[in-house]
Amino acid sequence: QSVLTQPPSVSAAPGQKVTISCSGSSSNIDNNYVSWYQQFPGTAPKLLIYDNNKRPSGIPDRFSGSKSGTSATLGITGLQTGDEADYYCGSWDSSLSASVFGTGTKVTVL
Amino acid sequence: EVQLVESGGGLVQPGGSLRLSCAASGFSFSSYAMHWVRQAPGKGLEYVSTITKDAGATYYGDSVKGRFTISRDSSKNTVYLQMDSLKPDDLAVYYCARAYRPGYVDLPFGYWGQGTLVTVSS
Repeated sequence: QSVLTQPPSVSAAPGQKVTISCSGSSSNIDNNYVSWYQQFPGTAPKLLIYDNNKRPSGIPDRFSGSKSGTSATLGITGLQTGDEADYYCGSWDSSLSASVFGTGTKVTVL
Repeated sequence: EVQLVESGGGLVQPGGSLRLSCAASGFSFSSYAMHWVRQAPGKGLEYVSTITKDAGATYYGDSVKGRFTISRDSSKNTVYLQMDSLKPDDLAVYYCARAYRPGYVDLPFGYWGQGTLVTVSS
């Protein structure tokens, strides 16, 4: 089972903003970096945010990340229909000595 | 261009074995840790395993520890996942991924392959 907890789904109208939470513990998020991944059906995940709040080249600044204590948040502003996808957070877990992923959140554009 | 191409998936009976391969190209293979991540049908991502750039250390998720073995061959730019004692719960698409930064063993995973499907059924 996943160590990091995310809401199953979030939704908003085009142009609006959504936030996705990722809740962990002191052995993962609180003391390690968080990354976020976007996945469209039938395709491989894609790195969206790394080191809590950095964007790889080519990722628009509509996507942002933040972290506070044992929780992290992904924000998507100016929501577009093309943003409809599943989003996963991830972090290293020092107790498990393994990477861990969140439960995943489906973003729906109304 | 970074490319990761998985192969070796297929149908196997419970208790059987399978070896997955991931052929890497477009980067200095010996500089990066490599990983396997799986995704059961309709489910989320599950971490499987990591091997450091020099194969000096390996890491495994709890659900596969003791049954799966990760390895790499730098002469072939290929990473492998030997899967033994397979269970129906191992049914998933298995993705190969490359660390985002050289030398790092943890997330983020910067590049992913297209995945290969493993089905465990009698």
